[in-house]
Amino acid sequence: GALVYQYPRRTICKSGTSMRMECQAVGFQATSVAWYRQSPQKTFELIALSTVNSAIKYEQNFTQEKFPISHPNLSFSSMTVLNAYLEDRGLYLCGARGQGGTQYFGPGTRLLVL
Amino acid sequence: AQSVTQPDARVTVSEGASLQLRCKYSYSGTPYLFWYVQYPRQGLQLLLKYYSGDPVVQGVNGFEAEFIKSNSSFHLRKASVHWSDSAVYFCAVSGLTNSAGNKLTFGIGTRVLVRP
Repeated sequence: GALVYQYPRRTICKSGTSMRMECQAVGFQATSVAWYRQSPQKTFELIALSTVNSAIKYEQNFTQEKFPISHPNLSFSSMTVLNAYLEDRGLYLCGARGQGGTQYFGPGTRLLVL
Repeated sequence: AQSVTQPDARVTVSEGASLQLRCKYSYSGTPYLFWYVQYPRQGLQLLLKYYSGDPVVQGVNGFEAEFIKSNSSFHLRKASVHWSDSAVYFCAVSGLTNSAGNKLTFGIGTRVLVRP
């Protein structure tokens, strides 16, 4: 079956530091990968969408300078939260979409910022 | 622009009772509709999806949803809930071939509490 792994599951970083999170698609080829953030008590916001052979597209309020993304192949993506502050805390979800159109989500990386 | 409205922030039901969670969407093209569930301290799990065909779609764990185009709705139902159904449920919409690719727009979620 189609599975998406995310690492780490939970991380704590000091304010002003950076942390990197990874996303791995298993059992299918992820033609596109989307990164979402769920801030406390809120719904999921799209950060950016990375499609094979296309530039990574960031949503309003999110920038490459703050959330650089790497998508080197059809099974792996990583995103870094640079210079993290309190407002960056939340659950970061990776959604990988295969050719069938369904987007499968990983369990998320929960970021706490001290 | 696409949007999803889940009018009920919180629903409490007794175990064994039926459940309906409401969802209305706004999308200019042909929508691709989803229901996801988030259990405490976990990510999202897909319950069911709809793109075309029979407007009533069956999902996992006895859930089903009905697409009503005229009403722009995609309500989720379950005939008899179990305590383990307590979670937050998210309705989402995307386009299959639009320029935004697979951008999913989520509703704010409905928190379901099943009382024993």
